[in-house]
Order: sequence, then C-alpha cells, then structure tokens
Amino acid sequence: GAVVSQHPSRVICKSGTSVKIECRSLDFQATTMFWYRQFPKQSLMLMATSNEGSKATYEQGVEKDKFLINHASLTLSTLTVTSAHPEDSSFYICSAGRTGWHYGYTFGSGTRLTVV
Amino acid sequence: GIQVEQSPPDLILQEGANSTLRCNFSDSVNNLQWFHQNPWGQLINLFYIPSGTKQNGRLSATTVATERYSLLYISSSQTTDSGVYFCAVDVSNTGKLIFGQGTTLQVKP
Repeated sequence: GAVVSQHPSRVICKSGTSVKIECRSLDFQATTMFWYRQFPKQSLMLMATSNEGSKATYEQGVEKDKFLINHASLTLSTLTVTSAHPEDSSFYICSAGRTGWHYGYTFGSGTRLTVV
Repeated sequence: GIQVEQSPPDLILQEGANSTLRCNFSDSVNNLQWFHQNPWGQLINLFYIPSGTKQNGRLSATTVATERYSLLYISSSQTTDSGVYFCAVDVSNTGKLIFGQGTTLQVKP
C-alpha cells in the first residue's frame, strides 16, 4: 500500500512557459503532501507543505507566486512552475502521507524539468 | 535549525563486501528514515527508524536517539545496491523531512 504517483516523469519546456506537475496518492487519502526540489548531485530541499483544502506553506526563500501549489482533494496535489526559466531546471519530487502515520511518508517517482 | 550529516560522502565497494553508513543529527528528532535513490531518481523508503534496530534482508539499521546518530548496514553488497543513500529526519512530527547530503555508493562487480 501507500503508493504515490507523480506525472510527468520528464518535461522539457521553453523559457517563459508554465508547467504543471501532478502528485496523486493512489490507495490512501493524503492529508498532507510535501514538495521537494533536488539540483544535480545535491540533496533534497523542502519547498512547500500542501494541506488539503488550505493554502500551501512555503519554506523560506521559495517564491510562492512562482511555484503555485494546489491541494484540491485528498488524493491530488499539483505544483505549477510559472514563467519557467533555465534556473528552475531541477528534479521535483512529492511525498504524501497522513497525520499520525508511524511508517513515514511515501515519495513519488519525481519529475525532471528542463527549461530551454 | 537541525544539521544532518552523513558519512562517508562516497563509497566504492567490491561486490560481496559489507559497509556501514552513518547519519549524525544535531538535535532531537521525532522520526528518522533511510532512503535509497536509484539512478532514475526514485526514492525508496528503506527504514522508518526513530529508535532501535530493524532488519530487512541484507540491510539493517540502528538509531541511537539519545546519542543522535543512526547507522545503515549493508551486507553482501550487490551491484544493484549502487545509488545514493539519504537519511532524513522529522523534527516536528509533521512529516516534513530534512535530508542529509547523502552517501553515494558504487558497488563494482
């Protein structure tokens, strides 16, 4: 159980366009989802916390107007990178879980974004 | 904020060898997880281990919360064990994880 699906796995977009990434919990209802970013050869850094039905909470230094997060249901959160630039090229990965779980959160398979 | 340090940063092994990866953290944590990131980027949850010892096949992990460290043991390593191993801690019991810098493991045939 506890499967998280993330799409697309890979996307190339032109500078200035927007890209939407989806994160779905397939066999459970996720009260909370997290979005992380990983630059090449680096660790994962938390970008924002997404709670169903409420506004996302962004980590310091993350532009909320650039990285729009929507968690409209208990099984779906989306991250939209608006007006993407080459420096936004990175690996984006979500995790999902439920409050009080005692076996950790499950990660999606990630999305590799390349902005050209 | 909390610091999470992993060692060694890089490790090269011959197939069949054993290894120990270490994760030190600078403050009390509610949860600790070990992950394996494969070459395609997928993060595989190996252990959820805020304290104590767990084993799963050739892998085992021990967390000594009072001394603020965790160890991941890999025995009889295989080439498929190659990748990056991360430990991550949750300080606030919210699921929000702070990752270490990882240990890159290469297992040679």
